Amino acid sequence: DVKVTQSSRYLVKRTGEKVFLECVQDMDHENMFWYRQDPGLGLRLIYFSYDVKMKEKGDIPEGYSVSREKKERFSLILESASTNQTSMYLCASSWGTGRTGELFFGEGSRLTVL
Amino acid sequence: RKEVEQDPGPFNVPEGATVAFNCTYSNSASQSFFWYRQDCRKEPKLLMSVYSSGNEDGRFTAQLNRASQYISLLIRDSKLSDSATYLCVVNTNAGKSTFGDGTTLTVKP
Repeated sequence: DVKVTQSSRYLVKRTGEKVFLECVQDMDHENMFWYRQDPGLGLRLIYFSYDVKMKEKGDIPEGYSVSREKKERFSLILESASTNQTSMYLCASSWGTGRTGELFFGEGSRLTVL
Repeated sequence: RKEVEQDPGPFNVPEGATVAFNCTYSNSASQSFFWYRQDCRKEPKLLMSVYSSGNEDGRFTAQLNRASQYISLLIRDSKLSDSATYLCVVNTNAGKSTFGDGTTLTVKP
């Protein structure tokens, strides 16, 4: 089975702190994605990557950056956390560069920024 | 207007009922379509893909109408275990997946 693992299920951070959210997948998928999910707003795409060292902005990239140094790992970085970044963050992966097949999600990281 | 719109519900139905969800999308260049299921406090998981000719998987039937830009999901003989949020997902050829906000279903005994 495909396994997408997010490093932290629950985090509490203070405004202005730097936050790293790590995601690792074990199925050699080319594509990796970061979403955030908020009540009434659904899942919104922050960043995605089709290959190592490659990244593309999604719909809401402001306040975030990403890193993909290895194929299996995709990190989301909040340089200076703010309260409006309190959310559920979901990492996903899929096979096939540029294709849009099934997305496999991690269990999510619930971030609270105080 | 959102790219993908769903009726948020909630839909509350008795066991054994048939329930249908609709989803509309605005990007006529959309290439592929899916329904995902998300249980409370869990991650979304693929329920089924939606093909142009329509497709069925047990009690679940998905339909696509490209001309009217909507997809549907029909659940027959609802079970308690079908209670979840159902997410409509539309993909473009640029590799981007856009999610609807989800429709919440509660099946009651």
